[in-house]
Amino acid sequence: QSVLTQPPSASGTPGQRVTISCSGSSSNIGSNTVSWYQQLPGTAPKLLIYSDNQRPSGVPDRFSGSKSGTSASLAISGLQSEDEADYHCAAWDDTLRGVLFGGGTKLTVL
Amino acid sequence: EVQLLESGGGLVQPGGSLRLSCAASGFTFSSYAMGWVRQAPGKGLEWVSVISSSGDNTYYADSVKGRFTISRDNSKNTLFLQMNSLRAEDTAVYYCAKRWSSSASCYDYWGQGTLVTVSS
Repeated sequence: QSVLTQPPSASGTPGQRVTISCSGSSSNIGSNTVSWYQQLPGTAPKLLIYSDNQRPSGVPDRFSGSKSGTSASLAISGLQSEDEADYHCAAWDDTLRGVLFGGGTKLTVL
Repeated sequence: EVQLLESGGGLVQPGGSLRLSCAASGFTFSSYAMGWVRQAPGKGLEWVSVISSSGDNTYYADSVKGRFTISRDNSKNTLFLQMNSLRAEDTAVYYCAKRWSSSASCYDYWGQGTLVTVSS
């Protein structure tokens, strides 16, 4: 099963803004909404963004999502040390009839 | 409070079988689609399967199609994953997750995971 393409790593200093990209195709990101998950070390994933740019209650507004064509992005502003985690994008694929995940991006707060 | 508690993981030989369970509480289980997502050691997330709220519709990743079967018992608020013909590449932590109703890729609650190790 193919995956959505994310950079394997990203980094920033406290207070900075960082963005993580997620590239797909017309059968997934191009025609379905994107979700983003945060996974702290040793824990289960947590929903961060759904429907491209919506935040579940309890998720700080420092986290935002966007989508254009067949690519999506997660932005984290005012970076904090506790944001150090793996971030995964996901979208339904109409051809495969299943959910595709990105390979994950490990965010390091320097 | 929504809780999802997986069980049934363990060590199994290649070609063997295992049945995972996920006990749900804190929400109306029969109203939501449920899924399984796995994560091999040191790797990213891989979606495995999803079942509709009624159990009438199921979908599988190509990597497990024909070997795994997802099912649910709405009277017992429990989700299952029957895994047959297991391979080394099936070794992973398996998470059950509740699907958000408005988006096919959106899982808003996850269990803590259960480890499946396929090895001789």
